Amino acid sequence: DTEVTQTPKHLVMGMTNKKSLKCEQHMGHRAMYWYKQKAKKPPELMFVYSYEKLSINESVPSRFSPECPNSSLLNLHLHALQPEDSALYLCASSQDPGEAETQYFGPGTRLLVL
Amino acid sequence: GQSLEQPSEVTAVEGAIVQINCTYQTSGFYGLSWYQQHDGGAPTFLSYNGLDGLEETGRFSSFLSRSDSYGYLLLQELQMKDSASYFCALPTGFQKLVFGTGTRLLVSP
Repeated sequence: DTEVTQTPKHLVMGMTNKKSLKCEQHMGHRAMYWYKQKAKKPPELMFVYSYEKLSINESVPSRFSPECPNSSLLNLHLHALQPEDSALYLCASSQDPGEAETQYFGPGTRLLVL
Repeated sequence: GQSLEQPSEVTAVEGAIVQINCTYQTSGFYGLSWYQQHDGGAPTFLSYNGLDGLEETGRFSSFLSRSDSYGYLLLQELQMKDSASYFCALPTGFQKLVFGTGTRLLVSP
């Protein structure tokens, strides 16, 4: 199984809402990543989890809150988002944190903030 | 920091060969990766070059020259399904992967 799954596929939320994105992998990978991608732009790294611990936060606003409940699951909690946060949110995993060159991506959650 | 530059768009016809270039600047080099992303889809890993030279995977090959801070992705026997965006990416050695600006490949019949 080389699949990373993400739910939901699409999400529309108001600026006062709280929602969560979910990511799951069953490849035994020990590094997991959250990216944000705007249209026609490359993915931008937000967070890295290494062995279930947050190892990198790319100065992401606190309205984005990541969580890694176990080695297979990664959540991204959203609160008080702004319209400019509308984007494709991608989750990825790699075998090891030191193997960031080879990442497996999920299909993404397309988020619209109204 | 790291930066990677790619042409914004490349066009080609079915059956042709196309080369997508990538030039980079980095303080520490840990290899160069390539990813494919179809519209509305997820990035998919294509190849990785840790050393100079050519890596071949089926119709796709990737080349690296560390002395020139340059790499390219070569796609042979182009098919319509190869129409997608292609990103080169630099692993930074600190658990990060930095993506290039991306090249949109349009394959026409």
